[in-house]
Amino acid sequence: AQKITQTQPGMFVQEKEAVTLDCTYDTSDPSYGLFWYKQPSSGEMIFLIYQGSYDQQNATEGRYSLNFQKARKSANLVISASQLGDSAMYFCAMRPPNTGNQFYFGTGTSLTVIP
Amino acid sequence: KAGVTQTPRYLIKTRGQQVTLSCSPISGHRSVSWYQQTPGQGLQFLFEYFSETQRNKGNFPGRFSGRQFSNSRSEMNVSTLELGDSALYLCASSPQGLAGVLPGTQYFGPGTRLTVL
Repeated sequence: AQKITQTQPGMFVQEKEAVTLDCTYDTSDPSYGLFWYKQPSSGEMIFLIYQGSYDQQNATEGRYSLNFQKARKSANLVISASQLGDSAMYFCAMRPPNTGNQFYFGTGTSLTVIP
Repeated sequence: KAGVTQTPRYLIKTRGQQVTLSCSPISGHRSVSWYQQTPGQGLQFLFEYFSETQRNKGNFPGRFSGRQFSNSRSEMNVSTLELGDSALYLCASSPQGLAGVLPGTQYFGPGTRLTVL
């Protein structure tokens, strides 16, 4: 069974500082995709970044980067230069192969940016 | 492109009633998935539809059902509502249609918040 673990229920970061949100996963499949989503209080899940299991380089999207360590099965999200608007829940998700678009989500990390 | 839209945004029902939620995917997206989000269980996959066929189903009772129309719009229905069905129901669409192809990204709608009294 697939499992995603986010061990940080809540995190605080000072505005303009960088923060790392942890995510580990468990799968026996060699091919999979890893995703991070942001969920503000409004409820909508916003796609942030994607990493494929065969990608050689860590994914980056603007202020977001993914620290992918395949051997350790970790896919940590790094947010640089935090902004007040980054305050939200952040979810790590995995899509195994041959499951259509069935995603498995972690329990999420609540990030609060302090001015 | 317009994003994923879900209607209604809020719904209040009583136990034993049934409810139908609607989702319109991003234009051109053929896959629609549904998720239930609760504080206790987190985000759980309900089912996925592609080309009007259910391709995947999560571990939910038969009271939860869905369908997809030829224009890719999808509905999900919950019959005989229980208090535990109170949740945020999220719909996601994806341009990916083929199992085994490199994973695609899902784009989520704003959700329907269902309250069962």
